[in-house]
Amino acid sequence: DTGVSQDPRHKITKRGQNVTFRCDPISEHNRLYWYRQTLGQGPEFLTYFQNEAQLEKSRLLSDRFSAERPKGSFSTLEIQRTEQGDSAMYLCASGSVGTYYNEQFFGPGTRLTVL
Amino acid sequence: GDSVTQMEGPVTLSEEAFLTINCTYTATGYPSLFWYVQYPGEGLQLLLKATKADDKGSNKGFEATYRKETTSFHLEKGSVQVSDSAVYFCALEAYSGAGSYQLTFGKGTKLSVIP
Repeated sequence: DTGVSQDPRHKITKRGQNVTFRCDPISEHNRLYWYRQTLGQGPEFLTYFQNEAQLEKSRLLSDRFSAERPKGSFSTLEIQRTEQGDSAMYLCASGSVGTYYNEQFFGPGTRLTVL
Repeated sequence: GDSVTQMEGPVTLSEEAFLTINCTYTATGYPSLFWYVQYPGEGLQLLLKATKADDKGSNKGFEATYRKETTSFHLEKGSVQVSDSAVYFCALEAYSGAGSYQLTFGKGTKLSVIP
């Protein structure tokens, strides 16, 4: 399967700990997005990479969050000093520019629970 | 900013019933519109799309028409099956001006189809 993969699928941590998630996009895709989905809500945009450059960050992405995409391949999302409000599903999507739109393919997500 | 409002669920239908899930949007410019589906335990999948006014997206018996005059993109299916039970998300994609085509999602509508 050459779809978007994310690791780990589930993460339970204690408040104050740091966590890091990984996303492996579809290999030929140069665009990569991170979204966050809380219970009963739709996904919300966090940040966007084009190749290795982080071009956009949402105001939801506080200074405790950092994302990287070294060499324009896989990406990591780190949350420092986790809080209970960070509990959510973190989704990664990759895509390429189409003729009229940019289709995004989503990974299965990493579910974070902060105790 | 951009926003998507969709019918709140949950929606429970009998097999072979007609389905409508309403979706309206607010956006500047000319967004592309999507319906995504999330089956239990799985990631988000693109169900159908429309990139300009009066376009009709269709897939797996589902249809939605991009209505610019009413800023709507309602999802319909003539005869639902138990296997259609899932959460459905309406979304718009617009160029952010900073290089990304981020998706803005509605809150999702949970559909349960009973035999």
